[in-house]
Amino acid sequence: DAKTTQPPSMDCAEGRAANLPCNHSTISGNEYVYWYRQIHSQGPQYIIHGLKNNETNEMASLIITEDRKSSTLILPHATLRDTAVYYCIVKPIYGQNFVFGPGTRLSVLP
Amino acid sequence: NAGVMQNPRHLVRRRGQEARLRCSPMKGHSHVYWYRQLPEEGLKFMVYLQKENIIDESGMPKERFSAEFPKEGPSILRIQQVVRGDSAAYFCASSPRGGDGQPQHFGDGTRLSIL
Repeated sequence: DAKTTQPPSMDCAEGRAANLPCNHSTISGNEYVYWYRQIHSQGPQYIIHGLKNNETNEMASLIITEDRKSSTLILPHATLRDTAVYYCIVKPIYGQNFVFGPGTRLSVLP
Repeated sequence: NAGVMQNPRHLVRRRGQEARLRCSPMKGHSHVYWYRQLPEEGLKFMVYLQKENIIDESGMPKERFSAEFPKEGPSILRIQQVVRGDSAAYFCASSPRGGDGQPQHFGDGTRLSIL
């Protein structure tokens, strides 16, 4: 079973920041937080991951709370092409497989 | 999803036939993972392989399913005597190493339809 809780759906206006929350209250010290997204009919696309520090790359920013029990994925300027299902996944460093929950269906509206 | 190549993208089989799904990992990646996604559901892990070795097959059905990753060539997921319930999208992912927190990169999947 997935160790994360995400809202089933969210809307965001095009050009605005999309903030996708994730709760992982049972996370362990050796577990990373990963974010993937899946656009219809495609495979999951890796976005970002982190252990305890905030992370930023060309796609998004990941903000992890100090107690590590929740995190937020930020898409700074959402476009229509960011419409997808976003998965927050917790996995041990030495774990071998990802456990995908239902994710959050983000709709970016014009 | 550039890099991980899966073929065919779509595969249609009749009940009782065999299905072979192929996955070529990203260049430099020696670890391959297979996942299955049933309609309207999340991805479910099936098997994890390194070159010539099955490391974890805890998600594989006990019968009819097998996987290999030979020294040369792509990884193969083989389903024998397919049934309607095998209809799903099958995704392959790869990583350069296992067990160090590196993300897996996914292909665009093979959509298997059983008539």
